[in-house]
Amino acid sequence: QQQVKQSPQSLIVQKGGISIINCAYENTAFDYFPWYQQFPGKGPALLIAIRPDVSEKKEGRFTISFNKSAKQFSLHIMDSQPGDSATYFCAASMSSGGSNYKLTFGKGTLLTVNP
Amino acid sequence: NAGVTQTPKFRILKIGQSMTLQCTQDMNHNYMYWYRQDPGMGLKLIYYSVGAGITDKGEVPNGYNVSRSTTEDFPLRLELAAPSQTSVYFCASSPSIRGTEAFFGQGTRLTVV
Repeated sequence: QQQVKQSPQSLIVQKGGISIINCAYENTAFDYFPWYQQFPGKGPALLIAIRPDVSEKKEGRFTISFNKSAKQFSLHIMDSQPGDSATYFCAASMSSGGSNYKLTFGKGTLLTVNP
Repeated sequence: NAGVTQTPKFRILKIGQSMTLQCTQDMNHNYMYWYRQDPGMGLKLIYYSVGAGITDKGEVPNGYNVSRSTTEDFPLRLELAAPSQTSVYFCASSPSIRGTEAFFGQGTRLTVV
């Protein structure tokens, strides 16, 4: 059972454009939703995260939009740059039921930003 | 500040061989995790630990074992390697606080032939 579904699998955007990656989750007990960025040959690194008590969080060019009723959240990258080319993973975790904050990851989106 | 350090970076194993993937962190984090990453499949949790002496299975534990004798170290043992264990393995750590960042190592690329 895939608890976090991510789309699209790959995305090509022109420099300056907006990149949008979507995730949907099933478990309503999830209460922490981070996005990780991974460059080739490197481990994932936290990009931005949100909790379900807010609908949007913005950090620079990166914004998370969160829709609790639809059980969906998305990453928007404004003014996309070639240096943003990477694999992006959404994830979710819960802090109840003895889950010990384990992250459940989506399958990832390979973003390519063309110059 | 080294963060999470994994060794080796690359390894080729023959079917049936065994090996240990090393992971150490210097952030005094209680929680440590092992994930495997396969193309197009995201990261799957193999084992995790909430502190020294305490470990538990994740989503895909078969064929692996772990131990946690110290806060810093969390080695992953592969017994009787199989081609299905060809993957990139990531170790991660996090503080024992709800909703905080997990820090990942650089990964170990393992090929079983």
